[in-house]
Amino acid sequence: AQSVTQLGSHVSVSEGALVLLRCNYSSSVPPYLFWYVQYPNQGLQLLLKYTTGATLVNGINGFEAEFKKSETSFHLTKPSAHMSDAAEYFCAVKRSGGSYIPTFGRGTSLIVHP
Amino acid sequence: ETGVTQTPRHLVMGMTNKKSLKCEQHLGHNAMYWYKQSAKKPLELMFVYNFKEQTENNSVPSRFSPECPNSSHLFLHLHTLQPEDSALYLCASSQDLMRISGANVLTFGAGSRLTVL
Repeated sequence: AQSVTQLGSHVSVSEGALVLLRCNYSSSVPPYLFWYVQYPNQGLQLLLKYTTGATLVNGINGFEAEFKKSETSFHLTKPSAHMSDAAEYFCAVKRSGGSYIPTFGRGTSLIVHP
Repeated sequence: ETGVTQTPRHLVMGMTNKKSLKCEQHLGHNAMYWYKQSAKKPLELMFVYNFKEQTENNSVPSRFSPECPNSSHLFLHLHTLQPEDSALYLCASSQDLMRISGANVLTFGAGSRLTVL
């Protein structure tokens, strides 16, 4: 079955520093991968997705992720953290089977210090 | 209104009460979902509806009863809940379940925070 593992339940960075949130997937077929973000008191919203084609994917708010098949990874990065990036980030993979329902990871809380 | 709207945003109920959560989407989507988000746990998919038909029930206790009268509305009826049912309940919608080009991106509501006393 398809699944994702997010390494680190909390990541703390200083404002202006590089953000790196790790996600590894397990999939028996070429995966569809997603990153969602959840700001306090809000639902999840899509940051970016990988389906096919270019392995470096650009998302909203300056985030990007790179699909690396050899490493089964889909890490999320941003060159310079902003205070407004503080949120919960979820990696997800399309489930096996015909439907396109995602399976979510446990989430990583990003803390940004001034 | 646009997007996915959930009401109420906060609900406190006793174990013998009956209440309902409502979800409404104005995106023209055909698939709707209920997720449960508890602290320190992964998002749990509860129910999925596609074109008003329930396609998935992930072994959810019968004290949770979903209803999807049309593609724009989804309800979660609650009765005789337990304290461990306290959580954030998220509704989501997507174009449909088999949309390859869109890779089935979900749009979420802000959630209904449920506390069971």
